[in-house]
Amino acid sequence: GAGVSQSPSNKVTEKGKDVELRCDPISGHTALYWYRQSLGQGLEFLIYFQGNSAPDKSGLPSDRFSAERTGGSVSTLTIQRTQQEDSAVYLCASSFTTFGGEQYFGPGTRLTVT
Amino acid sequence: SQQGEEDPQALSIQEGENATMNCSYKTSINNLQWYRQNSGRGLVHLILIRSNEREKHSGRLRVTLDTSKKSSSLLITASRAADTASYFCATDPAGQKLVFGQGTRLTINP
Repeated sequence: GAGVSQSPSNKVTEKGKDVELRCDPISGHTALYWYRQSLGQGLEFLIYFQGNSAPDKSGLPSDRFSAERTGGSVSTLTIQRTQQEDSAVYLCASSFTTFGGEQYFGPGTRLTVT
Repeated sequence: SQQGEEDPQALSIQEGENATMNCSYKTSINNLQWYRQNSGRGLVHLILIRSNEREKHSGRLRVTLDTSKKSSSLLITASRAADTASYFCATDPAGQKLVFGQGTRLTINP
């Protein structure tokens, strides 16, 4: 079946512009996660959604970052007034359950802020 | 701070040799998982070991878990060029969202 998809695969934007990154999770997965990975680094947790519960936003680095998940499926991560330090690969993952289960990752969006 | 820390940060071996990577963590966990990442893109799940398990096998992979030492190891036997990747351990300290380590970059030389 289809895996997690993300779009765009690459995004180059000018400093100060807003960007939207999209994630389509695996159908039936109730949990959805966003991570950020800077060059050569590990994964930094940003936010996760579980069903209809309030999202865990504890990893968002600033109020310029926000995310929503519509209809329990597709999610959009928005970065406002982008800065050069926002340049990274943004990874989305989904899972059937949040309780330490296997996560399925999308291919990521490589964001470059010039 | 990172829950999981992999050691070594980088490892380079000859094809056919075994590769061992270690992961240490700080708090109690329910499960520990290992993931592989090729070319800085999406991660692929390799294996999950539960806190009440000590060893688990999957093909050429062997994972051990020592909860008393809060550590795990991933052994890849008879390495191949295709095993070249970064390997991450992930733990669920709160029983919910995973926390990933910084990863080990493995290079298999032909």
